[in-house]
Amino acid sequence: KNQVEQSPQSLIILEGKNCTLQCNYTVSPFSNLRWYKQDTGRGPVSLTIMTFSENTKSNGRYTATLDADTKQSSLHITASQLSDSASYICVVSVKRAGANNLFFGTGTRLTVIP
Amino acid sequence: EPEVTQTPSHQVTQMGQEVILRCVPISNHLYFYWYRQILGQKVEFLVSFYNNEISEKSEIFDDQFSVERPDGSNFTLKIRSTKLEDSAMYFCASSGVQGAAGELFFGEGSRLTVL
Repeated sequence: KNQVEQSPQSLIILEGKNCTLQCNYTVSPFSNLRWYKQDTGRGPVSLTIMTFSENTKSNGRYTATLDADTKQSSLHITASQLSDSASYICVVSVKRAGANNLFFGTGTRLTVIP
Repeated sequence: EPEVTQTPSHQVTQMGQEVILRCVPISNHLYFYWYRQILGQKVEFLVSFYNNEISEKSEIFDDQFSVERPDGSNFTLKIRSTKLEDSAMYFCASSGVQGAAGELFFGEGSRLTVL
């Protein structure tokens, strides 16, 4: 069964600290893995897209890693800012014909406090 | 930067009423989608639309739902007779490429509250 699991469910950190969010998936056949940031009441915004051959990808203070063998990904946030408070959603694409090929995780709710 | 825009941002309606949610996808995109997110739950696929017809739909997308691209820019989701369980955020998305390779751009969402 194609599933995407994220942990932790929620996280509170102090401003300036680093944190790492985890994503495990059982999606097959794998196409790519995406991390989205979703501010409360807003639409998801893409942070990174990683294909099978990419182990790490950075976007500013966000660094995503992918281990396709263990089917795990992480999103590392460096020097957190108050504006990083949001839900971070891991989305895995499967290689198949058609449009409904994205599997969404439930997200990690990050709160950055001063 | 081009973006997907949605209206209304929030709609409150009585159970049984019809609702139309509107979306303007990114102008050169060809693939359009509706997703929904019930509060506290994951984003769920509803329907995809390409070349003026539905290309795929989920089990959620029953006869109460319909989509339309009435002109060259708008993409609408209609719920004919709303139920309490239709209360959710509805996200429109568009991409220039179909399927797994395509980066998906989401709108800000329309919050539907059914009373």
